[in-house]
Amino acid sequence: SQQGEEDPQALSIQEGENATMNCSYKTSINNLQWYRQNSGRGLVHLILIRSNEREKHSGRLRVTLDTSKKSSSLLITASRAADTASYFCATMDSNYQLIWGAGTKLIIKP
Amino acid sequence: SQTIHQWPATLVQPVGSPLSLECTVEGTSNPNLYWYRQAAGRGLQLLFYSVGIGQISSEVPQNLSASRPQDRQFILSSKKLLLSDSGFYLCAWSVGAGRNQPQHFGDGTRLSIL
Repeated sequence: SQQGEEDPQALSIQEGENATMNCSYKTSINNLQWYRQNSGRGLVHLILIRSNEREKHSGRLRVTLDTSKKSSSLLITASRAADTASYFCATMDSNYQLIWGAGTKLIIKP
Repeated sequence: SQTIHQWPATLVQPVGSPLSLECTVEGTSNPNLYWYRQAAGRGLQLLFYSVGIGQISSEVPQNLSASRPQDRQFILSSKKLLLSDSGFYLCAWSVGAGRNQPQHFGDGTRLSIL
């Protein structure tokens, strides 16, 4: 079953702008993870945030988690053309399996 | 460092033919292994996962099967492919112990059934 739902489904911004993607989920989680997928390739892990954490940073990436609202956001600052990809959130459930959203397709225009 | 190899990258098969996709992991021991399918423009659907040699869990009933004959080898098979088996198949691994671990993916196999 699909638990995470990303919003928006697609996002197109100018290079240098910030990109924000959101993820909502339905059940309790152990952690929430964000991945990137370039067209036709495998997924690359970006950030894992545990259920007891509220914010995490990695380079130009910032992830927040609000367990009361069952939502997370991924912020990419100072976007670059190379950030063009699909971004997926995945929640780890009580059985330690990842449940995936349908992804946000991000296009960075030069 | 750990690496994951998945092959072939693309495959075109006729309906009713058999299938064997292979995935191997290097640089780690006793990994958890996963097979996913991704429909175009969609998220990932977990097909099988394995926590050890010979231990396979299936998430959805289907025309496919999986085997783990060695610690770092995971094989996805079918005896007779259906048109609905077309898709992008991804293999992944994660550290065997520990809940808060990411998954690491191969580059996928694009399977087209004619």
